[in-house]
Amino acid sequence: NAGVMQNPRHLVRRRGQEARLRCSPMKGHSHVYWYRQLPEEGLKFMVYLQKENIIDESGMPKERFSAEFPKEGPSILRIQQVVRGDSAAYFCASSPKTGTSYEQYFGPGTRLTVT
Amino acid sequence: AQSVTQLDSHVSVSEGTPVLLRCNYSSSYSPSLFWYVQHPNKGLQLLLKYTSAATLVKGINGFEAEFKKSETSFHLTKPSAHMSDAAEYFCVVSEPRGGNMLTFGGGTRLMVKP
Repeated sequence: NAGVMQNPRHLVRRRGQEARLRCSPMKGHSHVYWYRQLPEEGLKFMVYLQKENIIDESGMPKERFSAEFPKEGPSILRIQQVVRGDSAAYFCASSPKTGTSYEQYFGPGTRLTVT
Repeated sequence: AQSVTQLDSHVSVSEGTPVLLRCNYSSSYSPSLFWYVQHPNKGLQLLLKYTSAATLVKGINGFEAEFKKSETSFHLTKPSAHMSDAAEYFCVVSEPRGGNMLTFGGGTRLMVKP
């Protein structure tokens, strides 16, 4: 059973460009979470999605950031008009069910660098 | 709201000596608690989890943690450190909203000296 897959692993964008980060959850998992890790900090929750639904986006910046998890295909985190402060590692996690006792399985992350 | 405090940002031990990484939490709910490890430029790996069963939880690679409700603590220990244990460790609490949204502590970087 393949783990959570994220691509690309590294992404370099110039200020003003768009960044698209992809996440394929583990097989059988329908719950996807995105987290951001700024340098020297812990991970911060951004958004929680189920297939075709955004359940909780309380951690998403109000502008330029969006996320989707379509019926077919991977979950996408999209950052428009990137700025230097968006440089971070973005981790996707998935779980088979919702509930506090269910662990989340993390992907290897996408490291975004904005130049 | 819930929060997690890892009391030490850096811990340095010698190989073969015990490891103690401290974590305190606050939560309005009966929490589920986790420890994750992150090796440099890698993703996160679950070490162990507490979900209201036994208060002493055993994890992988010889790590264990004890849930102490009276002290709101969930410290991570290992009897004997190995060089391969050098990594960043995160104490995490799960909140029953937004699915099971995880709140991370700030992390503790463990260094192991030969």
